[in-house]
Amino acid sequence: EAQVTQNPRYLITVTGKKLTVTCSQNMNHEYMSWYRQDPGLGLRQIYYSMNVEVTDKGDVPEGYKVSRKEKRNFPLILESPSPNQTSLYFCASSARLAGNTGELFFGEGSRLTVL
Amino acid sequence: RKEVEQDPGPFNVPEGATVAFNCTYSNSASQSFFWYRQDCRKEPKLLMSVYSSGNEDGRFTAQLNRASQYISLLIRDSKLSDSATYLCVVLLITGANSKLTFGKGITLSVRP
Repeated sequence: EAQVTQNPRYLITVTGKKLTVTCSQNMNHEYMSWYRQDPGLGLRQIYYSMNVEVTDKGDVPEGYKVSRKEKRNFPLILESPSPNQTSLYFCASSARLAGNTGELFFGEGSRLTVL
Repeated sequence: RKEVEQDPGPFNVPEGATVAFNCTYSNSASQSFFWYRQDCRKEPKLLMSVYSSGNEDGRFTAQLNRASQYISLLIRDSKLSDSATYLCVVLLITGANSKLTFGKGITLSVRP
């Protein structure tokens, strides 16, 4: 089954404790992206990757890191989480973002709480 | 002006009603447009792309007005199962980079 898989789905952690949210897709998609979703603010892009070894900042990259060492994986790293990073995080992938066929497939989301 | 703005909500309508959502975008160079649906506590999923000539999928009709820089979604004969948040999405491609910008979403509640 074609899917984007995120882990963990739920996490409660404390300020400053490094964590990684993994994202894996089995559709051989070139494009991958991370979003956070907060009430009243909608979906905001954190980082994206057009292909392996190519990553770029989105709209809200501060406090996050990513890597794209292989096509299927795009982990999100919070080196020193802070309470303002408490949010619902989505990973997404697409074969290509062009024209009207560039559908974005989302993972089920990871709800992160930083105390 | 925000990159993508949607109607303020929420919308609360009875079953069978027709409801329309609008979304404006600021960059006239935007190439492609989409409507996504997000159920409560779930991930967004593509509802439909928006074509220049307008397109229809069952009870759903999407339209694009490039001159006024807005897209719309019309839902006819609303069902309880249409209750969800609807996100408009705009794609801008500049050089080698592509950017998808999401609107904040508008929540629709369909009541019996």
